[in-house]
Amino acid sequence: ETGVTQSPTHLIKTRGQQVTLRCSSQSGHNTVSWYQQALGQGPQFIFQYYREEENGRGNFPPRFSGLQFPNYSSELNVNALELDDSALYLCASSGGGSGSSGEQFFGPGTRLTVL
Amino acid sequence: RKEVEQDPGPFNVPEGATVAFNCTYSNSASQSFFWYRQDCRKEPKLLMSVYSSGNEDGRFTAQLNRASQYISLLIRDSKLSDSATYLCVVKSDPGRRALTFGSGTRLQVQP
Repeated sequence: ETGVTQSPTHLIKTRGQQVTLRCSSQSGHNTVSWYQQALGQGPQFIFQYYREEENGRGNFPPRFSGLQFPNYSSELNVNALELDDSALYLCASSGGGSGSSGEQFFGPGTRLTVL
Repeated sequence: RKEVEQDPGPFNVPEGATVAFNCTYSNSASQSFFWYRQDCRKEPKLLMSVYSSGNEDGRFTAQLNRASQYISLLIRDSKLSDSATYLCVVKSDPGRRALTFGSGTRLQVQP
């Protein structure tokens, strides 16, 4: 196990609602990255947080937002949910601001279904 | 064009077979390369990093060709437990903070 935890494991929402997903990073890691993985696709980078600041963002609209807390845990918030937001949301922790070694340790993910 | 492209498979091979996966990437500034493994409905896990000189880890060999922007993974003596999706991953530095994943190649090893 990586030591990265995510909650909840599964979630069902309806279009237009808002959702908050949570992630606790591995002990000693100060960087958290969030990815969206649609069925049959590889994970797509949403954004990364390093020491409570956003540290890079992928091609996702502003309704995807996040936070990182002093203990390096993180939240992903999605407003105005759309059907296409249905996916597995993965949180990954790493030790450096840019994940210098490249290795990121993934949590088990939150499976979001939007109806 | 996707930044990282892989053949989605599936590759169906018998136990003991040798199988090779290929991957191409479009960003010539990419600096780091990896293969991740993802089991069905699980999170991705690092299988191995890929170095310019090529590297081996037991039954797994990874190669990088920077001139052709091509990465490969060779699995020898396939085991049933190798059945998974193999994700080609690129990290482009400086400036990019993210891992860029291919869509994955699915491997099914059959008894």
